[in-house]
Amino acid sequence: SQQGEEDPQALSIQEGENATMNCSYKTSINNLQWYRQNSGRGLVHLILIRSNEREKHSGRLRVTLDTSKKSSSLLITASRAADTASYFCATARGGSNYKLTFGKGTLLTVNP
Amino acid sequence: DAGVTQSPTHLIKTRGQQVTLRCSPKSGHDTVSWYQQALGQGPQFIFQYYEEEERQRGNFPDRFSGHQFPNYSSELNVNALLLGDSALYLCASSWGLAPRTYEQYFGPGTRLTVT
Repeated sequence: SQQGEEDPQALSIQEGENATMNCSYKTSINNLQWYRQNSGRGLVHLILIRSNEREKHSGRLRVTLDTSKKSSSLLITASRAADTASYFCATARGGSNYKLTFGKGTLLTVNP
Repeated sequence: DAGVTQSPTHLIKTRGQQVTLRCSPKSGHDTVSWYQQALGQGPQFIFQYYEEEERQRGNFPDRFSGHQFPNYSSELNVNALLLGDSALYLCASSWGLAPRTYEQYFGPGTRLTVT
């Protein structure tokens, strides 16, 4: 079963706009990670946030984590056409930091 | 610095056949995990190898088996292929089992089609 659920399933925006994707999960976690996947190929690690952190930034990415609501959000600012991809959240539970449980992903389309 | 490599890129098999997929981890990594990603879905954890042993396993039948070699490379074997085994198979590598080693590096995947 999949732990995370991303919302929305698909998002279409114009270049320069911000994109926000949400992820909800069901059980307690050690950390939550966001990955990007282009055209059904390998996943690229974007950012990791630990369960004791509330917000993290990396370049144009901002991730928040609310453990009380079991939810996270990924914000991509000033989007570019090259950001077009599927974005997945993945959770790691207990001592299994290497066993990631992925959601179904959000397909982001950035129109030039 | 070589990243995670997988072979072959694409594979077409017939129901009932057996398949072997291969993965070489990123340089310096000793742990390999395998994931199955069906079309339109997120990856699902199959199993993980460390020190040539299967350390954790997801909810997959025994038809799925693996192996890790002394050079840390790994194989995923699937027997008695079913149409539902058609998917992208992803290999991810990391260093050790310590809690600090959070980040996994993924390979480009092997696209398996079962007809």
